[in-house]
Formats: sequence, structure tokens, C-alpha cells
Amino acid sequence: QVQLRQWGAGLLKPSDTLSLTCAVYGGSSRDYFWTWIRQTPEKGLEWIGEISPSGSTNYNPSLESRVTTSIDTSKNQFSLKLTSVTAADTAVYYCARGRATTRFRYFDPWGQGTLVTVSS
Amino acid sequence: EILLTQSPDTPSLSLGERATLSCRASQSVSSSYLAWYQQKPGQAPRLLIYAASSRATGIPDRFSASGSGTDFTLTISRLEPEDFAVYYCLQYGSSPWTFGQGTKVEIK
Repeated sequence: QVQLRQWGAGLLKPSDTLSLTCAVYGGSSRDYFWTWIRQTPEKGLEWIGEISPSGSTNYNPSLESRVTTSIDTSKNQFSLKLTSVTAADTAVYYCARGRATTRFRYFDPWGQGTLVTVSS
Repeated sequence: EILLTQSPDTPSLSLGERATLSCRASQSVSSSYLAWYQQKPGQAPRLLIYAASSRATGIPDRFSASGSGTDFTLTISRLEPEDFAVYYCLQYGSSPWTFGQGTKVEIK
């Protein structure tokens, strides 16, 4: 059974760079799309972006200018960087596995979530 | 961007009652790319339904879903105590992928 475990700094100052990593256990990162999603009470669930095993990326246009994702298939890990954070980036951040075929698409499983707070 | 609007916002229902949750899309979504999730406090969302009507592994058959085009429905036939949670729909057909705002099913 595939599990995702994520980690990263939970308290940032405005203008810092958010950095999170997600490790894949019980499966390979060589398939699927590896995804980041965040959740706030105000905006709910927001898809941030995804990366394929080959390194091709797809980002939400609302965040694209500040987002970078990377993947290390040898370590079964993928990462998120979000630059120039503000209080509006305070959220619970999730990593997830995106499964996309011609017959179905979904995110499953998800990581445990990381609360990232941006405060001066 | 496809906007997903869920209703009702916060239905209050009793144990054993039937819950009917709606997800309406601002543009047509392929039913293959519509999913439903359940989220409980402090937990990540859990996949319930994918491809509009297929139950994920381990999901009880009291959960069912249907729909096509712009209108999708999640039904819980008889509410159990563990079903009181927030439910989200997801469209994964047109980037950026988007979620509905959620429906919180509360105990009456």
C-alpha cells in the first residue's frame, strides 16, 4: 500500500521561500503525477501543481510565477518550493499521487499534511 | 478555470437518513474525471468515488454517485456516525484542476 510522508518548515516569515518534500513509500515514483495541494478555510482546497517522473510540470496559473516542483526518482521523493510567501500562503499543504488514465483520474493517496504559517 | 459549486452548504441530517450532495460545474466535465472525497477534522481528504460513480477500494456500498456534464450527485443511503464529515468534489479534466467548496454533513 502506497503511503506518502511529507515534511518541511512550518513557520516562515514574509518573503521567505516555502520548501516541502514528500517521500513515497511502498511504491515507485516512476509512474503517476506527483501533486501538491493546499487548503485554507477561506479558499478551501487549491491545486498547486504537479510533476511527472520525467520532470514535466503543470502549475496553477494563480501560483505559477512562484512555484517550482522537482522530483528525485532514485529517492522516491518530490518537492515543492514557493517563493516570496505572504500571509495569504498560510495553509495546510498536502502532497498527493495523481493517477491519470483515459478512463479515470484522481488524487490518491495523500500525505498527512503540513501546516505552514507565514507570520512576521 | 472550471468552478465547482456544491450544495447544500451544511445539511443537518439524522443517523439512518439519506444524504444527497450536489456538485455543479461551470462547464461540462467528463464523468471520467470527476471524483468525490471525504474529509474529517485533522485528516487529509480520502477518495470515495472516481470516474463519477466508481467506489474507491474499501468504500462501503452505502456511498454511491452519479452524474454527467455539469451536474453530479453523491448519495449516502443511510448515514452512519462516521459519515458526518466534509465532502468535496474534484474535477481533474481541465487544468487547473479544481475542487468544490465542500459540503459539511452535520448531525441533527
